[in-house]
Amino acid sequence: DAGITQSPRYKITETGRQVTLMCHQTWSHSYMFWYRQDLGHGLRLIYYSAAADITDKGEVPDGYVVSRSKTENFPLTLESATRSQTSVYFCASSDSGAPGTDTQYFGPGTRLTVL
Amino acid sequence: DQQVKQNSPSLSVQEGRISILNCDYTNSMFDYFLWYKKYPAEGPTFLISISSIKDKNEDGRFTVFLNKSAKHLSLHIVPSQPGDSAVYFCAASAYGGADGLTFGKGTHLIIQP
Repeated sequence: DAGITQSPRYKITETGRQVTLMCHQTWSHSYMFWYRQDLGHGLRLIYYSAAADITDKGEVPDGYVVSRSKTENFPLTLESATRSQTSVYFCASSDSGAPGTDTQYFGPGTRLTVL
Repeated sequence: DQQVKQNSPSLSVQEGRISILNCDYTNSMFDYFLWYKKYPAEGPTFLISISSIKDKNEDGRFTVFLNKSAKHLSLHIVPSQPGDSAVYFCAASAYGGADGLTFGKGTHLIIQP
């Protein structure tokens, strides 16, 4: 089915471990984004990508690494997880980044708990 | 500093009445505004948007109003239905959203039967 998917949906890990959250979209959208949602903060941008091999930092990038070797995939890696990274992570994609194409479409989210 | 503010964390409205959700922004570079609806354990779903060159956009029961001089927008839902109970996020972007959306903290809308 077309759309944007995230895996895993739920993950529990321990402090200091590396964990990778996966995001896959089938629309061939140019832009992809990672947000985290925390109580009292709404959604905050972690990293974004305009195309394969082009990534840039958002508002809260520290502790995260991204890559985009293929247009359809945009994995987010926590190299050494900390308790403050316990959150719900949302991946999103959008078309071209041109004015009027700002609408982003979100995946179902990954709930990450760092013990 | 918050660039997009939703000052009401929650709002309770009776079924059939109008729901009005408010949003304020501070960044004059924002030129596109969106509303997303979110149910628990799901991702945000796009609801309606408006460009800064307009002051109103309507889609069925949903209307968004933009007052650029006041840097204020509102979402009207009429009539409100039980399925409208959700968290609503206001978001804004500039330059086609190429560097992401800036979100408010959300308003939890509760529709009372």
